Amino acid sequence: DTGVSQNPRHKITKRGQNVTFRCDPISEHNRLYWYRQTLGQGPEFLTYFQNEAQLEKSRLLSDRFSAERPKGSFSTLEIQRTEQGDSAMYLCASTGDSNQPQHFGDGTRLSIL
Amino acid sequence: AQTVTQSQPEMSVQEAETVTLSCTYDTSENNYYLFWYKQPPSRQMILVIRQEAYKQQNATENRFSVNFQKAAKSFSLKISDSQLGDTAMYFCAFMKPPSGTYKYIFGTGTRLKVLA
Repeated sequence: DTGVSQNPRHKITKRGQNVTFRCDPISEHNRLYWYRQTLGQGPEFLTYFQNEAQLEKSRLLSDRFSAERPKGSFSTLEIQRTEQGDSAMYLCASTGDSNQPQHFGDGTRLSIL
Repeated sequence: AQTVTQSQPEMSVQEAETVTLSCTYDTSENNYYLFWYKQPPSRQMILVIRQEAYKQQNATENRFSVNFQKAAKSFSLKISDSQLGDTAMYFCAFMKPPSGTYKYIFGTGTRLKVLA
């Protein structure tokens, strides 16, 4: 069990640029979640994958956001035309069983200049 | 919609003392799970303890225990014999199965500082 891995740990970019984050879940976990955590707030749900299928997207996920999980393994979260309000910590979590706790990665901290 | 409220933004406790963190939630569901997660500074969030709503017995994990009051919709975390390593943000989370996604709804967190 190597844990949930997220890359990069930090991303600084100019407003208007596109960014992509990667999440590698625990290998046997088929459920994968993305959350966003802004300063002073708890994580907020963004989207959920079961294997390769994206089964739910939050209203927080505007059309500038897209997430994929090809082959049901790693996942990517892309933000197009970044805005100041996108600055946050993006957390990935995985679990193998619906009733088991989610395991979280270290997160990717995005800063928009 | 479910909501989770943590009314204590910050708390501090002396090393070896006991501290209780509060969490309340709002739901019309009868079957659900509650969690406490710990997020140390610049480190990943890890599970502290979880409680299934259908279990009346309060969950315990070593120095960590909960006081689960289902009727009052309260889920507090007690940390006994506090240690410096307990310094972290603590998040209370709610999950309702079978919701399909089993996503978590988090509170805003309590920043706990353990003082030497």
